[in-house]
Amino acid sequence: EAQVTQNPRYLITVTGKKLTVTCSQNMNHEYMSWYRQDPGLGLRQIYYSMNVEVTDKGDVPEGYKVSRKEKRNFPLILESPSPNQTSLYFCASRIQGLNTEAFFGQGTRLTVV
Amino acid sequence: KQEVTQIPAALSVPEGENLVLNCSFTDSAIYNLQWFRQDPGKGLTSLLLIQSSQREQTSGRLNASLDKSSGRSTLYIAASQPGDSATYLCAALVKAAGNKLTFGGGTRVLVKP
Repeated sequence: EAQVTQNPRYLITVTGKKLTVTCSQNMNHEYMSWYRQDPGLGLRQIYYSMNVEVTDKGDVPEGYKVSRKEKRNFPLILESPSPNQTSLYFCASRIQGLNTEAFFGQGTRLTVV
Repeated sequence: KQEVTQIPAALSVPEGENLVLNCSFTDSAIYNLQWFRQDPGKGLTSLLLIQSSQREQTSGRLNASLDKSSGRSTLYIAASQPGDSATYLCAALVKAAGNKLTFGGGTRVLVKP
């Protein structure tokens, strides 16, 4: 089954404790991205990657890092999480073309206390 | 900068009534527009993708139209059912750095039995 898989689905952590949210897709998609969803602000792009070893900042990259060492994986790293990073996070992937459908993971609900 | 708006933010209809969901975007230079469904606590499920060269797209009870000149897309859901209750999001793939999806705030739909 074609899918984007995120782990964990739920995470509660403390301020400053480094964490990684994993994202994996099995569709051989070149383009992958991370979004956060907040009430009243909607979905905003954090980082994106057009292919292996190619990453770039989205609209709200502060406090986040990503890497793309393999085509299927695109982890999101919070080196020193803060309460304002409490949010619902989504990973997405699509073929690199311009008229292609985006597929989203099930989301990771992160709470930083 | 592309802005995507969905009005109303919430909608309640009796079962069997047709649903009409609106999406407006400020910049007509889009590659495509995609409609998603989001259930509480779940990820985004892609419903329809309309390419910029298309006027409409259909899938079962769903029909989406696109009018680039007026900056509008409309999602029609025929003969609504309680199972259609969810939040519906539209997203425009913009011709900008990163070719990112810009999302509307969503319309929360409740279909009453």
